[in-house]
Amino acid sequence: SQQGEEDPQALSIQEGENATMNCSYKTSINNLQWYRQNSGRGLVHLILIRSNEREKHSGRLRVTLDTSKKSSSLLITASRAADTASYFCATDAQGGKLIFGQGTELSVKP
Amino acid sequence: DGGITQSPKYLFRKEGQNVTLSCEQNLNHDAMYWYRQDPGQGLRLIYYSQIVNDFQKGDIAEGYSVSREKKESFPLTVTSAQKNPTAFYLCASTRTGAYGYTFGSGTRLTVV
Repeated sequence: SQQGEEDPQALSIQEGENATMNCSYKTSINNLQWYRQNSGRGLVHLILIRSNEREKHSGRLRVTLDTSKKSSSLLITASRAADTASYFCATDAQGGKLIFGQGTELSVKP
Repeated sequence: DGGITQSPKYLFRKEGQNVTLSCEQNLNHDAMYWYRQDPGQGLRLIYYSQIVNDFQKGDIAEGYSVSREKKESFPLTVTSAQKNPTAFYLCASTRTGAYGYTFGSGTRLTVV
C-alpha cells in the first residue's frame, strides 16, 4: 500500500532557484521522513520530522509538516546541479516500518 | 566505517530458478528491511525483521522468503513462485526508535 503521494511527479528548475516538493498521506503518523535517490543508487536519509513538530531545517533543506492536512513539504533553497535526484517521502505509521511515496524527480539545470 | 552491503550488484535469473540476495550490516542495527523498486516507482516493502529469528511479511511478500539467523545478516530469496522478479532490490536497516533508515546500494535482478 502506498501511503505518501508526492507532487509534482517531476520538477525542472535552473541552478540557484528554490525547489518545493509536496507529500500527502492518508493515516495518522509517528513521523515523516524525506529521502534522496540518485539514479541507480540506494536511498539517502535527509531529514525526519516528528508528528508534534511543524518545521525542521537542515542546511539548505526545510521541511514542514501539517498533520491536520496530512501533508508535508520539502524545500531545497539555492538548488545546485548536484541536487538532481529523486526525492521520496516516507511515513512511519505503525510497527516501525516505513511506507514510501512514488517520488518527485528533480532536475536542476546548470 | 559502518555501513550496509548488498551483493551482488547485478544478478541474472533463469526461469524457474531461485536466487538469493545478500544484505549485511555492521551498524549494530536491530531492524532490517527489504524493498522492491520498479522503474519510475516508489519502494514497496517485501519483508522486515525487528529482531533476530523473527520477521514479518510486508505488502508484497508472495514469491519471496527471508531468514534472520544473525543480527548482521538478512538475506532475501527470490523463488520461482515470483512471476515478475525483474526489479531493483534495496535492503535497509535502522535502530529501534524514530530514526532514519540506512540503505544499501541495491541489487538489480533481471530474468533472462
